[in-house]
Amino acid sequence: QQQVKQSPQSLIVQKGGISIINCAYENTAFDYFPWYQQFPGKGPALLIAIRPDVSEKKEGRFTISFNKSAKQFSLHIMDSQPGDSATYFCAARQVFDPSNQFYFGTGTSLTVIP
Amino acid sequence: NAGVTQTPKFRVLKTGQSMTLLCAQDMNHEYMYWYRQDPGMGLRLIHYSVGEGTTAKGEVPDGYNVSRLKKQNFLLGLESAAPSQTSVYFCASRGTAAYEQYFGPGTRLTVT
Repeated sequence: QQQVKQSPQSLIVQKGGISIINCAYENTAFDYFPWYQQFPGKGPALLIAIRPDVSEKKEGRFTISFNKSAKQFSLHIMDSQPGDSATYFCAARQVFDPSNQFYFGTGTSLTVIP
Repeated sequence: NAGVTQTPKFRVLKTGQSMTLLCAQDMNHEYMYWYRQDPGMGLRLIHYSVGEGTTAKGEVPDGYNVSRLKKQNFLLGLESAAPSQTSVYFCASRGTAAYEQYFGPGTRLTVT
């Protein structure tokens, strides 16, 4: 059972456009929501993360929007660039989990066309 | 400071063969994880360790064993490889002060 549901599976955006990737969850014990970026042949790397006590976090062209009541969060990439072409994973961590593991979404393959 | 390294980068096994994947981290992290990545399924946790000498099962542990004899190393073993274990394997580590997990570059394993 997928604890974090991610959509779309793939996304094609024109250079300069806005890329939006959505994630949803059911477990209200999740308390940390990171987004990871993965380039082909590389391991995932942390891009940006948010805690549920804020509704938005922005770092440069990347913004996380968080809706606690709807149990949804999304990644917005403004002014998308070809260098942003990668696979993006959302994830969640459960409070008081001794493993501190992340539950990952299934990933979104983003292609930014020049 | 190399971060998280994985050995080997690629491997091809025949069904029934065994192998060990090595993960090493130089950040003095307590937690270490082994994930497998398959198309359309994201990253799934195989086993994890919360400190030297400890291991625990994750979401998909069957067919794998692990050991953490030294804090900096986390080994993943396949005793009798099956084609269903064809995947890309990632190791990750994290410290106790922050939630971020640092990933290695991955090992692409093919079982024929």
